Amino acid sequence: GENVEQHPSTLSVQEGDSAVIKCTYSDSASNYFPWYKQELGKGPQLIIDIRSNVGEKKDQRIAVTLNKTAKHFSLHITETQPEDSAVYFCAARGPGNQFYFGTGTSLTVIP
Amino acid sequence: EPEVTQTPSHQVTQMGQEVILRCVPISNHLYFYWYRQILGQKVEFLVSFYNNEISEKSEIFDDQFSVERPDGSNFTLKIRSTKLEDSAMYFCASTSGLGLINYGYTFGSGTRLTVV
Repeated sequence: GENVEQHPSTLSVQEGDSAVIKCTYSDSASNYFPWYKQELGKGPQLIIDIRSNVGEKKDQRIAVTLNKTAKHFSLHITETQPEDSAVYFCAARGPGNQFYFGTGTSLTVIP
Repeated sequence: EPEVTQTPSHQVTQMGQEVILRCVPISNHLYFYWYRQILGQKVEFLVSFYNNEISEKSEIFDDQFSVERPDGSNFTLKIRSTKLEDSAMYFCASTSGLGLINYGYTFGSGTRLTVV
């Protein structure tokens, strides 16, 4: 089945700097890649997604890039703010109707 | 904004006991899911449910697990005889799943199950 790897597991940045989280996937049939933000005590919340027919998508300070050939995709957060501190998960939709999640990145934005 | 609601938020149960975790998906969503997250580990797929039947399940979802949509609003996960290793956060999710494209899930806040 699909295997999603995520790096780094922890990331600390100064407020205002950029943060980049990277994921790789194994199944070339995967065609949809969402990113989730999970705050303490809450469920994962979808923040941005990208489909396999698109190379990049941007939503204000958040952007996602996808390289289908290399089977990797990345989350970019610019001008980070303390409220961006959370655990971020990447995911890939496999051949079926389920998502495979990465192991998560704990992002800390230092004021 | 529509939400997926899960109850209870925290459940403690004795090993061997049955537990039922409850979820109310978003009303116009068609696909329902259960995932679990053992502390410090990744979110893992358990089961998907569509049109009143299981559409996919993982190897984690063995005979001890079952799901049900008893009425038009609730979606439940039952664990018949809990084991210590069932201790985890259980997330319900739903999606409209329009056409052939699955949109991102809307997750509930989770139920933390502790088996003692």
